[in-house]
Amino acid sequence: DSGVTQTPKHLITATGQRVTLRCSPRSGDLSVYWYQQSLDQGLQFLIQYYNGEERAKGNILERFSAQQFPDLHSELNLSSLELGDSALYFCASSVPAGEQFFGPGTRLTVL
Amino acid sequence: AQSVTQPDIHITVSEGASLELRCNYSYGATPYLFWYVQSPGQGLQLLLKYFSGDTLVQGIKGFEAEFKRSQSSFNLRKPSVHWSDAAEYFCAVYTGNQFYFGTGTSLTVIP
Repeated sequence: DSGVTQTPKHLITATGQRVTLRCSPRSGDLSVYWYQQSLDQGLQFLIQYYNGEERAKGNILERFSAQQFPDLHSELNLSSLELGDSALYFCASSVPAGEQFFGPGTRLTVL
Repeated sequence: AQSVTQPDIHITVSEGASLELRCNYSYGATPYLFWYVQSPGQGLQLLLKYFSGDTLVQGIKGFEAEFKRSQSSFNLRKPSVHWSDAAEYFCAVYTGNQFYFGTGTSLTVIP
């Protein structure tokens, strides 16, 4: 158990819909990272937050957004969903310049 | 631009045989280096990390990795593979503001 929790574990929705994925980092970790993992794209870095502020941006689509709240939990919002958005979404947390600890992931299926 | 290359997409080894997974990175300075393992349907688990000091680092589950600055490599090794080592292995680099992951190497272990 990494100490990072993600909800929900599975999510099935339809094209065009909007979903919110939630992540609670390890106690004391200020950084939260979001990744998308699909069979054809591998593990793709989406976005990083540090203590509530956006720190780095990767291959995140404009339809996707994230935020980190004062209690340090983070949410990833995916809107106007397409079939190609079906993937595993991982959240990770870390202390500054430390290794990342990954959550168990949310499997999103878009039908 | 920073990048991480894992040249072997898939490796098959016999149980009890030795293993080496390759990782090369592209970065101007000495990065922080990591190896992660992912079992099917699971999140990523840290195997080992290199920040500085001794270039041979020991990790969990009997794995070790050697940092070679001249070759920009951080190869993962295990002297005797167990069937439970079958998984996906990811090399990662932290450059000071962002993590970069390789595309992964899938390991199959045959009896």
